[in-house]
Amino acid sequence: AQSVTQPDIHITVSEGASLELRCNYSYGATPYLFWYVQSPGQGLQLLLKYFSGDTLVQGIKGFEAEFKRSQSSFNLRKPSVHWSDAAEYFCAVGFNDYKLSFGAGTTVTVRA
Amino acid sequence: SAVISQKPSRDICQRGTSLTIQCQVDSQVTMMFWYRQQPGQSLTLIATANQGSEATYESGFVIDKFPISRPNLTFSTLTVSNMSPEDSSIYLCSVLTFEGSPLHFGNGTRLTVT
Repeated sequence: AQSVTQPDIHITVSEGASLELRCNYSYGATPYLFWYVQSPGQGLQLLLKYFSGDTLVQGIKGFEAEFKRSQSSFNLRKPSVHWSDAAEYFCAVGFNDYKLSFGAGTTVTVRA
Repeated sequence: SAVISQKPSRDICQRGTSLTIQCQVDSQVTMMFWYRQQPGQSLTLIATANQGSEATYESGFVIDKFPISRPNLTFSTLTVSNMSPEDSSIYLCSVLTFEGSPLHFGNGTRLTVT
């Protein structure tokens, strides 16, 4: 079945430490890949996207993601987390119809 | 980029009533979508709002429950009809500009049904 999986429901990380959020997808073809962030009470903000080309994608707020076709993964990383990065992160996939399918989300807590 | 305004931002409604949510964009867009985010869950696509024609609904969503209008390229409404507590969710409008991907999202409407 087609799906987007975020294995980690909740991650706690210390401020200044690195962060990696996992995303795997299961589709017949390689979809377009996105990471969105949702702060409490806010809508979704796009962090980065991958359509094709360079498999390492740079996004806003110091985030990057790497597409690995062999692993059907699109993991999000940040080298040094700030307290303001505490939020919920969604991986999403789409195709030419632009209808997105979202993973369950990962809640990130940043401790001082 | 597109600036999306959703109204209301939140509401508390009685069981059995209906609520219409508005989505206004500051520029013309090609596609408009409505998503639902149930408490503690991810986003699920409800439907694609088509200008001048009936919306296209995803599996599990029907027009009688979620009628949608899109009279022009900048505006859409979603109505949640005959509400029950199970309809308590955040409803988000998203749009695709003529520049293409990605989708832009509004801040959502937080609906509580009592």
